[in-house]
Amino acid sequence: TQLLEQSPQFLSIQEGENLTVYCNSSSVFSSLQWYRQEPGEGPVLLVTVVTGGEVKKLKRLTFQFGDARKDSSLHITAAQPGDTGLYLCAGPQGAQKLVFGQGTRLTINP
Amino acid sequence: DTEVTQTPKHLVMGMTNKKSLKCEQHMGHRAMYWYKQKAKKPPELMFVYSYEKLSINESVPSRFSPECPNSSLLNLHLHALQPEDSALYLCASTSRLMNTEAFFGQGTRLTVV
Repeated sequence: TQLLEQSPQFLSIQEGENLTVYCNSSSVFSSLQWYRQEPGEGPVLLVTVVTGGEVKKLKRLTFQFGDARKDSSLHITAAQPGDTGLYLCAGPQGAQKLVFGQGTRLTINP
Repeated sequence: DTEVTQTPKHLVMGMTNKKSLKCEQHMGHRAMYWYKQKAKKPPELMFVYSYEKLSINESVPSRFSPECPNSSLLNLHLHALQPEDSALYLCASTSRLMNTEAFFGQGTRLTVV
């Protein structure tokens, strides 16, 4: 079973600060996805990274896939209260399943 | 249309009740999924349908019964549930089985009393 470990599990920071969330595994993944989930809603796909070393930017969010495709990071610049939510990394396990990390619960205080 | 629609949004049911959760997508996706999510936990896979056939059952108790009437619809029939089954039930779809970019519905918040 391929496992994804996210850190930190909880993060509470002030508006305007920067932060990084990590997603690590001992296994190689063909791709990794990042989702954001708000309370009472389903996860929403933010990005997919496929190539080792790949960097993708989505406004103030920067996603990186490790060179060995075993880890990924999400960096948020100048965090805003609207960034509050549960951030989940996920990757394919076998041909049919998606395995999720435990999630990082992010709170941005005004 | 990039939406996965789930109904109802909230459901309270007794342990002797029979109810159904519904999920619909019109993106032409051929793989659909049921997940269960407990508070402060990631989604856990329950069932996978591919081309309307059950592909994976993650050892889910028989009190949960999935059904895929056609390529756009996915149901989850519930019977004789336990209070510990209370959770957010999420439906998701992908364009095909190997594609892991999932579109999730907003979920059904189920409470078993």
